[in-house]
Parts: sequence; structure tokens; C-alpha cells
Amino acid sequence: GQQLNQSPQSMFIQEGEDVSMNCTSSSIFNTWLWYKQEPGEGPVLLIALYKAGELTSNGRLTAQFGITRKDSFLNISASIPSDVGIYFCAVPPRSGGSNYKLTFGKGTLLTVNP
Amino acid sequence: GAGVSQSPSNKVTEKGKDVELRCDPISGHTALYWYRQSLGQGLEFLIYFQGNSAPDKSGLPSDRFSAERTGGSVSTLTIQRTQQEDSAVYLCASSPPAIAGVNEQFFGPGTRLTVL
Repeated sequence: GQQLNQSPQSMFIQEGEDVSMNCTSSSIFNTWLWYKQEPGEGPVLLIALYKAGELTSNGRLTAQFGITRKDSFLNISASIPSDVGIYFCAVPPRSGGSNYKLTFGKGTLLTVNP
Repeated sequence: GAGVSQSPSNKVTEKGKDVELRCDPISGHTALYWYRQSLGQGLEFLIYFQGNSAPDKSGLPSDRFSAERTGGSVSTLTIQRTQQEDSAVYLCASSPPAIAGVNEQFFGPGTRLTVL
């Protein structure tokens, strides 16, 4: 089945630093999604990317849909303590039509030291 | 408005017992999804409902797992004869009627299941 390789697995940073994480796959996708999960909560959609090369921002978050359509990047600028959580990339099936069936990466655990 | 709610928030059970996990989706959301999240893993798709029908049950790990949805609203995930490997967080999500592109799935807080 589809597999996403997400890295890094975890990051420990100081408040104010910038963060970068990515997801790669051997397969081509038409959509890339980035979710954040805080402790004791379900994931929340941060950014959705629908076009190769697309660069989309949401506040301090910026995500890019790789030009090869096999990867995506998420950057967080000037991190703050509330950025703590697990960040997941996710994709719908390559064949389309069944967009509900998301495949998730294993997540990047972000810890921000104040 | 209220988000997706799940109950119980935590469930500890003994191996071999049956458990029922409940999901209340956002009102008006036609689609409902169950996922399983094991420690250090991403989310694993289990089953999808459109209305009361489950067109895709392909993610259910075994025949000990079943789910139903009634009234186009509440869903119950049942695990029979639980095993230790069933221990995980079970997440429910719902989404509104599709318009275009990928429907945003709104997740509940999950039920943490521990099988002793």
C-alpha cells in the first residue's frame, strides 16, 4: 500500500527557532495534507495542498507541494510553546475517487523549550 | 457548535472481553470515519460510513472488529474478544457533504483503549 516517510521523528527546539519537516514517498500524489495533533486531542487540519509546486501559508506555517509530487514540506517560523504537538502529513489514495481514505505519515513530535 | 465527541475517553479492559466505542459526529456531517492510532504510529484507516452505509470496511484488522452507524449520526465500533495488540487510541472523524477536492475530516479526541 501507500507509504509515507516522515522526518524527523522528533525535534527539540528553543522558542523562536524555525522548524522544518518533510514527507516523502515513492508514489505520486495529487494532494498533500498537514495535520497537527495536540496531547489528548484528535488531529486538526493545518494546510491542504492541491497542486505540484504550490506554496501555501497559514500564519507562521508554510507548506509546499513538491514539484515531483512525491514529497511535501512544512515549515514553522519563530516557534512558540503552543506549537508543541505531533505533526502528520497525509495523502488520499493515488487513484482518487475515494478521498476519504487518508494515509498518514508516522508523525514528527515537536517540543519547544520556552 | 459542538465538535466530534467520543466516549469513553479511556477504557481499560481485560483480554477476551468485548468493548464498544461510541462516536457522535458533527451535526449534518454525512461521512464518518474510524481510525486507529498506535503508540508512535500514524493513523490507520479502519472504516468509512456514508450515511448509514459502510462502503469501505477494508481497514478493519480482523472479524473481531465491527462498526455500525444509525440514523446517519452516532456510530459504534465494537471489538470482540479483545487482544493486547488492540490497545491503541481509536479516533473518529466526520466530514460534511463533499463539494470538491478532499473533504476536511474533523476528528474527535479519541478513545484510549488498554487491554490488559
